[in-house]
Amino acid sequence: DAGVTQSPTHLIKTRGQHVTLRCSPISGHKSVSWYQQVLGQGPQFIFQYYEKEERGRGNFPDRFSARQFPNYSSELNVNALLLGDSALYLCASSLTPAGGQETQYFGPGTRLLVL
Amino acid sequence: AQKITQTQPGMFVQEKEAVTLDCTYDTSDPSYGLFWYKQPSSGEMIFLIYQGSYDQQNATEGRYSLNFQKARKSANLVISASQLGDSAMYFCAMRERNTGGFKTIFGAGTRLFVKA
Repeated sequence: DAGVTQSPTHLIKTRGQHVTLRCSPISGHKSVSWYQQVLGQGPQFIFQYYEKEERGRGNFPDRFSARQFPNYSSELNVNALLLGDSALYLCASSLTPAGGQETQYFGPGTRLLVL
Repeated sequence: AQKITQTQPGMFVQEKEAVTLDCTYDTSDPSYGLFWYKQPSSGEMIFLIYQGSYDQQNATEGRYSLNFQKARKSANLVISASQLGDSAMYFCAMRERNTGGFKTIFGAGTRLFVKA
């Protein structure tokens, strides 16, 4: 079975541009979460989506937005890129957004470099 | 306030020996989950083990076990019989309630080096 997939794998942008990152969850998983991992740090929670609705939002500016499609894939959009947005962006999927033993499975990530 | 604390930036262990990676957490949610993930240099986060806040027994998964001390709010990962392939970053994470759903908070990580 295919795991979580993300595209593109690498991306180089300049300050002020916008970027769209894509994620396809494991088949049957309806919840997708996005994380930003700056070099040398742990991942930081950005968004969680379930059944196309936002279920959680981390402490990120409005330049960050996301959506989930009927097939449960998701896009993360970042506008007006800053140098500090350079990071590994991880997508994780799970069956539901619920707690308990629900495990998130992560994709390989998209490495974004802002020049 | 830091919710997940990993105090060991780096750890060395001899191949075939056991190693303990420390993690303490802070939450007011009585229902939470604790996770450990491994992140090799490739970047992908690999799930290792889970412990629920109401679980009475410590979780085990093969060579991985979680030393859960609820009163101390600690959830240390024990890796037995270390292998060279265990060299990686290890992250402790906690899932707690977030408006309408849940969010997972990660620690800063511990880099483990396994020596031959």
